[in-house]
Amino acid sequence: ETGVTQSPTHLIKTRGQQVTLRCSSQSGHNTVSWYQQALGQGPQFIFQYYREEENGRGNFPPRFSGLQFPNYSSELNVNALELDDSALYLCASSFSLAGGLSYEQYFGPGTRLTVT
Amino acid sequence: KQEVTQIPAALSVPEGENLVLNCSFTDSAIYNLQWFRQDPGKGLTSLLLIQSSQREQTSGRLNASLDKSSGRSTLYIAASQPGDSATYLCGKGRTSGSRLTFGEGTQLTVNP
Repeated sequence: ETGVTQSPTHLIKTRGQQVTLRCSSQSGHNTVSWYQQALGQGPQFIFQYYREEENGRGNFPPRFSGLQFPNYSSELNVNALELDDSALYLCASSFSLAGGLSYEQYFGPGTRLTVT
Repeated sequence: KQEVTQIPAALSVPEGENLVLNCSFTDSAIYNLQWFRQDPGKGLTSLLLIQSSQREQTSGRLNASLDKSSGRSTLYIAASQPGDSATYLCGKGRTSGSRLTFGEGTQLTVNP
């Protein structure tokens, strides 16, 4: 069974640029959630995708957007990068049933984004 | 006000000691609660998941309990080892299929 994978591992970008982070969900999972974790803080929920549709969003501006593909992998896109976007970005996958019943979330290793 | 609070923020203990980490939440609506371990610069490793209908879960030296009425969960680690050194996070799911709301974690150091 393959776990959750994320790419790239590390990324350095300049303020104002755009970035795309990728996540491959665990085999058999159909739901992907993205979290932002600033240094010394707990992860903050960005949004969740279920069957290619956004299924909930946290308190993040529209310049944070995402996609989920038919194979349930996902992308997180951030436009107009700001210094405060520097963080560890975590992807979590889980299996959800129609109607919302879902199970344990499994996290990937994260992508460390540094904005200079 | 922080919805999920973890106390203490940091804990240092000698090897072999039993210890308890605490997680409190203000919103009584809870679907499940998940405990994670995070090593520096790494992702989260799931340790235990407690559904709202359960009172506790055990895995090896770890035992997690949930008291919905008081809004608390505890993670008990028996016979701590240096390899247990990490940050421990609790994440609360408010409804089925929803996001996890995390505390800021407890940084545990187990000294040989």
